[in-house]
Amino acid sequence: GAVVSQHPSWVICKSGTSVKIECRSLDFQATTMFWYRQFPKQSLMLMATSNEGSKATYEQGVEKDKFLINHASLTLSTLTVTSAHPEDSSFYICSARSQINQPQHFGDGTRLSIL
Amino acid sequence: SQKIEQNSEALNIQEGKTATLTCNYTNYSPAYLQWYRQDPGRGPVFLLLIRENEKEKRKERLKVTFDTTLKQSLFHITASQPADSATYLCALGPVGGGFKTIFGAGTRLFVKA
Repeated sequence: GAVVSQHPSWVICKSGTSVKIECRSLDFQATTMFWYRQFPKQSLMLMATSNEGSKATYEQGVEKDKFLINHASLTLSTLTVTSAHPEDSSFYICSARSQINQPQHFGDGTRLSIL
Repeated sequence: SQKIEQNSEALNIQEGKTATLTCNYTNYSPAYLQWYRQDPGRGPVFLLLIRENEKEKRKERLKVTFDTTLKQSLFHITASQPADSATYLCALGPVGGGFKTIFGAGTRLFVKA
């Protein structure tokens, strides 16, 4: 149980392109979803927290207009990197949680490379 | 300031021995603490959650302790195997108005055959 599916797993695209990443909870309802960014050999950096049906809460320093988050249903959240540039290249990971006192379950990440 | 600290150096142990990883925190009062495993290029995988009123929790070869006085959790892997080699993350929650979970930087464990 508690499976989170993240797609795509790997994206290479040209600078200026917008990229959408999907995160789905397959066997539970996720009231809260989280988006992280991770650089090599570093820990998870929380970008934003989203609750179903409401606007995402972004961490300090994360550009809302650059990283658009939509949590349209209890099983789906999307992250769109708009007008991506090489500095946006990174490993993006989503996670989902059913309730506050329950663990987060993570997707397998998306490796984004902007040329 | 609020901090979570895990063994900064990698931990190298021999197969069959018990691996012990440490997670210390300051200026938090978490209701629960979690441990995750992360393999290179993959998302973290949830292992165990222990609540503030629990001292110890076990799952197969894994054992977690939680001392809210010392503000410390210990994570043990008994009879370690090379397949246990990975990065292990501890996480505290809920934190802040958004009820976030805060992750430590992780400890890399290498188990030699």
